[in-house]
Amino acid sequence: RKEVEQDPGPFNVPEGATVAFNCTYSNSASQSFFWYRQDCRKEPKLLMSVYSSGNEDGRFTAQLNRASQYISLLIRDSKLSDSATYLCVVNMRLRGSSNTGKLIFGQGTTLQVKP
Amino acid sequence: DGGITQSPKYLFRKEGQNVTLSCEQNLNHDAMYWYRQDPGQGLRLIYYSQIVNDFQKGDIAEGYSVSREKKESFPLTVTSAQKNPTAFYLCASSMRYIRTGMENTEAFFGQGTRLTVV
Repeated sequence: RKEVEQDPGPFNVPEGATVAFNCTYSNSASQSFFWYRQDCRKEPKLLMSVYSSGNEDGRFTAQLNRASQYISLLIRDSKLSDSATYLCVVNMRLRGSSNTGKLIFGQGTTLQVKP
Repeated sequence: DGGITQSPKYLFRKEGQNVTLSCEQNLNHDAMYWYRQDPGQGLRLIYYSQIVNDFQKGDIAEGYSVSREKKESFPLTVTSAQKNPTAFYLCASSMRYIRTGMENTEAFFGQGTRLTVV
């Protein structure tokens, strides 16, 4: 089983739609969780950190479910500019350890927003 | 202006040659990472370093080597032992900090190096 798993898609949605991505992780010791966005042939850029209480940034909402070991990203009112690959990232670090940990990426979910 | 810089952006190598990819950061981050990305695939971890003079293998370390002699620098050497080196190589750095009671370790990436073996 992969350490971090995502549905690669593609997800093809019309403008204005709401779309949700899920990501599962295998290591219950994982400490930190993120969503990154990657445009074609570019480096990934941080979209959101994911907190236990859930967090929202404009049209984007991220949630963490530790019991089921998954994180989610919800995009409301999709824009054409949201078309990209969304990468789920998990930091695997032993609790109590002082080091930064190891960042593991999912393979990404591709979103295409159509006019 | 703080950031993470990779060079060169494009690199061509003849089969059988070693090549070194540069990664420099002035963010004062402790941790640095090297990833490889193949077309249509996710990022796979090659090596990572938590602190100067220390580094660990990632999932696909065979055929690669690294050094971490300075906090700011984490060069990656692709050796002739790497059987399929053509790929997009991404370097990242991160630092653990606490904000609003939550731990954060988000990573920031360089623009990447596209390596092609000819």
